[in-house]
Amino acid sequence: KAGVTQTPRYLIKTRGQQVTLSCSPISGHRSVSWYQQTPGQGLQFLFEYFSETQRNKGNFPGRFSGRQFSNSRSEMNVSTLELGDSALYLCASSFSPSGQETQYFGPGTRLLVL
Amino acid sequence: TQLLEQSPQFLSIQEGENLTVYCNSSSVFSSLQWYRQEPGEGPVLLVTVVTGGEVKKLKRLTFQFGDARKDSSLHITAAQPGDTGLYLCAGGGRSGYALNFGKGTSLLVTP
Repeated sequence: KAGVTQTPRYLIKTRGQQVTLSCSPISGHRSVSWYQQTPGQGLQFLFEYFSETQRNKGNFPGRFSGRQFSNSRSEMNVSTLELGDSALYLCASSFSPSGQETQYFGPGTRLLVL
Repeated sequence: TQLLEQSPQFLSIQEGENLTVYCNSSSVFSSLQWYRQEPGEGPVLLVTVVTGGEVKKLKRLTFQFGDARKDSSLHITAAQPGDTGLYLCAGGGRSGYALNFGKGTSLLVTP
């Protein structure tokens, strides 16, 4: 069974631009979560989608948004990029949104904002 | 927000040594997970502990969940270079699914 895939793997943008990242979960998984990882803050939860509905949202500004499609693939969008948005963005999938459900992480998209 | 503090932040040891890393919080967690992340990859789940006082062993790795479910430790026996990576603990709260991660312990095991 293929793992979680994320595209692109690397991205360079400039301040003020917007970016869209994509995540394809493991086949059969319906829950997708997004995290931002930085050296200073570690892994921080962005949002979680299940069956095309946002179930949970972390403490990030409205510039960060996401959506999930009927095939469970998910995208996240960051508008008006800031230097501080440079980070590794990780997507994780699981079968259901259970508190003890195992999450499987993708390799991440490394975003650099210049 | 439930905060998880991990210590030490960095650890550099030689092959064959033993080590323990810690994950502490002032909050109670319904479950706690340990992940290992290697450079250029996403975190990979090592173990989930759910019962206070629980001890789980995974080959040379021993995980313990505190009796009060506020803290956990990871002990590695006879560390090997393949154990090198970032070890992350994450707690799941009762009210939601979102995992709260600690900042991790970066482990380097040299031959």
